[in-house]
Amino acid sequence: GENVEQHPSTLSVQEGDSAVIKCTYSDSASNYFPWYKQELGKGPQLIIDIRSNVGEKKDQRIAVTLNKTAKHFSLHITETQPEDSAVYFCAASFGNEKLTFGTGTRLTIIP
Amino acid sequence: GAVVSQHPSWVICKSGTSVKIECRSLDFQATTMFWYRQFPKQSLMLMATSNEGSKATYEQGVEKDKFLINHASLTLSTLTVTSAHPEDSSFYICSARDFDRGGTEAFFGQGTRLTVV
Repeated sequence: GENVEQHPSTLSVQEGDSAVIKCTYSDSASNYFPWYKQELGKGPQLIIDIRSNVGEKKDQRIAVTLNKTAKHFSLHITETQPEDSAVYFCAASFGNEKLTFGTGTRLTIIP
Repeated sequence: GAVVSQHPSWVICKSGTSVKIECRSLDFQATTMFWYRQFPKQSLMLMATSNEGSKATYEQGVEKDKFLINHASLTLSTLTVTSAHPEDSSFYICSARDFDRGGTEAFFGQGTRLTVV
């Protein structure tokens, strides 16, 4: 089955700086890679996703890159703000089959 | 994005009783819903895949007789924790995919904090 590794487990950045979270996956058949933000006591919220036919996708301050050959994808948050503090999860799946989640990254934005 | 509503958001029950958690897709039909369990500071662990009109598919190690799943309509799936014990205390989260929008994106409910005393 699919295995997704995520790094780092914790990340602290100064407000205004950029944050990068990286994930690797094992199953070359996976073709859908979403990123979720989870705040304390709440369910995960989809913030951006990318499909295997695209190498990069951007939505305002958030971007995701995908390297299919190396089987890794990354989340980039620019101009970080205090409200970006949360736990972020990457995930991978083949089509609409079940998602396999990474272990999560606790991001702290330092004012 | 699509809206998935989960109820209740928290529940406290006595050991030995059963608890039902509801998951509704509010603005789309979900033929498939997923139930997850999350321990503190850990990732989401898939418990089962709920299919409308058929039996749920449970992940290895998940007791199907303890975690009963019913997906009776295209907008509602329920998870019943039967004869709950303190070790069942956890954060339970459901998700659903909107197949009318391609079916790939998964939207999550707000989660249910279960505490068994």
